[in-house]
Amino acid sequence: KQEVTQIPAALSVPEGENLVLNCSFTDSAIYNLQWFRQDPGKGLTSLLLIQSSQREQTSGRLNASLDKSSGRSTLYIAASQPGDSATYLCAVRSTGGFKTIFGAGTRLFVKA
Amino acid sequence: KAGVTQTPRYLIKTRGQQVTLSCSPISGHRSVSWYQQTPGQGLQFLFEYFSETQRNKGNFPGRFSGRQFSNSRSEMNVSTLELGDSALYLCASSFGPGNQPQHFGDGTRLSIL
Repeated sequence: KQEVTQIPAALSVPEGENLVLNCSFTDSAIYNLQWFRQDPGKGLTSLLLIQSSQREQTSGRLNASLDKSSGRSTLYIAASQPGDSATYLCAVRSTGGFKTIFGAGTRLFVKA
Repeated sequence: KAGVTQTPRYLIKTRGQQVTLSCSPISGHRSVSWYQQTPGQGLQFLFEYFSETQRNKGNFPGRFSGRQFSNSRSEMNVSTLELGDSALYLCASSFGPGNQPQHFGDGTRLSIL
């Protein structure tokens, strides 16, 4: 059974700081891993998708890495801004049954 | 290009009633998944449809059901509502199942009184 864990649960940083969010999963039989952000009361916005055969993806100030063998992914945010404040979720799409399992999320607050 | 559209945005029901939620996927997307989000349990997978067929189902009671139409639009139904069904229900669409990225709507906030 796939389990996804995100650490830390919450994070507060000053504006301009670089930061790393962590996601770990227990079953390496995955199609992909996707990072999302969620603003209060809103749906999920897709940030980056890493296929199982890839090691990393980049979009602007965001970089996501995937180490399938160790069951880990990181989301790196460079030069954080107050607008980055949100909850960040990672989701693993397992090959067994096509289920998508989400982590509990990391709540990020960037102070101006 | 229009995103995933969920209707209604907010809904208030009482225990014992039933409810139907609607999801219109991004044009060209044929796979639709439903999720329940609560503060205590986080985001949990309900079911996924592709080409009008349910491909997988999460660990929810039979009161939760869904269907997909030939135009890929999907509905989910919850019967005999319980207080614990209060949640944000999110729909996601993708071109197909498997390794395609999912795109989410803003959800339907369901409150049970």
